[in-house]
Amino acid sequence: DAKTTQPTSMDCAEGRAANLPCNHSTISGNEYVYWYRQIHSQGPQYIIHGLKNNETNEMASLIITEDRKSSTLILPHATLRDTAVYYCIAPNNAGNMLTFGGGTRLMVKP
Amino acid sequence: EPEVTQTPSHQVTQMGQEVILRCVPISNHLYFYWYRQILGQKVEFLVSFYNNEISEKSEIFDDQFSVERPDGSNFTLKIRSTKLEDSAMYFCASSEALLWGHEQYFGPGTRLTVT
Repeated sequence: DAKTTQPTSMDCAEGRAANLPCNHSTISGNEYVYWYRQIHSQGPQYIIHGLKNNETNEMASLIITEDRKSSTLILPHATLRDTAVYYCIAPNNAGNMLTFGGGTRLMVKP
Repeated sequence: EPEVTQTPSHQVTQMGQEVILRCVPISNHLYFYWYRQILGQKVEFLVSFYNNEISEKSEIFDDQFSVERPDGSNFTLKIRSTKLEDSAMYFCASSEALLWGHEQYFGPGTRLTVT
């Protein structure tokens, strides 16, 4: 069972920041949170992951609350090509499996 | 940038036939995975593989499925006797280490159509 919950869908205006929330109130202190996205039926694309500290890379920023019960993926300047399903995932305890939920369908509009 | 590759991109087969889906993981990666996605449904984990052994498998991964790393570069998924319900996108993935801070990278997928 997925350990995370996300809104089903969100819209964002092109050029604006897209903020995608994720609740993961049941993950333990040593469980990472991963974000992936899937465009149409392409292979899931890795975006970013974090444990406790906020993280930033060339694609996005990840803000994790201090209590680690939730996080937000931020795409700073969304483009039409960012339209995709975004998945927030906590791997299993053995660290060898990702369980994909329904994700958030982000629609970036002109 | 290194990437996971998969062949073929599309495979059509008749029910009851055997299929082998092929993947070339990223070269320094040690952990290998197969997932599938039936059209319109979630991505589902099938199996993980490390050190020439299955380390985790799902209920989907029954006796009809097998995985192999026949040489130093390829990772294969075999379905012995395909069923109509095996029609799906199959994604291979690899990671350098376990998912405690390491990324898992996915290939573009093989679309399997069973007729």
